[in-house]
Amino acid sequence: GAVVSQHPSWVICKSGTSVKIECRSLDFQATTMFWYRQFPKQSLMLMATSNEGSKATYEQGVEKDKFLINHASLTLSTLTVTSAHPEDSSFYICSARAQWGNEQYFGPGTRLTVT
Amino acid sequence: AQKITQTQPGMFVQEKEAVTLDCTYDTSDQSYGLFWYKQPSSGEMIFLIYQGSYDEQNATEGRYSLNFQKARKSANLVISASQLGDSAMYFCAMREGPGGTSYGKLTFGQGTILTVHP
Repeated sequence: GAVVSQHPSWVICKSGTSVKIECRSLDFQATTMFWYRQFPKQSLMLMATSNEGSKATYEQGVEKDKFLINHASLTLSTLTVTSAHPEDSSFYICSARAQWGNEQYFGPGTRLTVT
Repeated sequence: AQKITQTQPGMFVQEKEAVTLDCTYDTSDQSYGLFWYKQPSSGEMIFLIYQGSYDEQNATEGRYSLNFQKARKSANLVISASQLGDSAMYFCAMREGPGGTSYGKLTFGQGTILTVHP
């Protein structure tokens, strides 16, 4: 089956630093990838839609200058949390939509803790 | 705007019994897709079942079935013969219809925590 990986699986960083999270589709091409954020025991909230070769589309209320998304190839999208603060601590999950079928494949998630 | 509602924050079921997790949705789209995902404590999102808005038959995948009632805009998940490993958070989600660069975007419900008792 289709596999999506995320790296790192967890990261701890100091306030004010930037963190990059990678999302890769390992065995299929993904023209569209999605980035979600999830707080403990809450639902997944879509942050942005990432299309290969074009600028990401951000959901209302998401700061595009703080959460930089790059989708440089058909298998890789990156989310960079710039000048991270403790309130950015969360579980970040990416997903990729394959060019066929209906399913959306999720990565295993990245747990970010900002101290 | 699309909206997904899961009204059960938590559900308990005895092992080997069946359980129904509720999901209602609201959309003006004629074409849409409904999904159920399982999220164990590890955080990974596990796809369970899919129902298209034009599918006339209810979807089934092993012990999972989706009770799709289009007129009532409900898409309840039925888990038969519950197992201890079924204990997890369950999310209902709806996919935006085709067309546009955001095709595939999912809107999630609030989730239901299912606990299976031995």
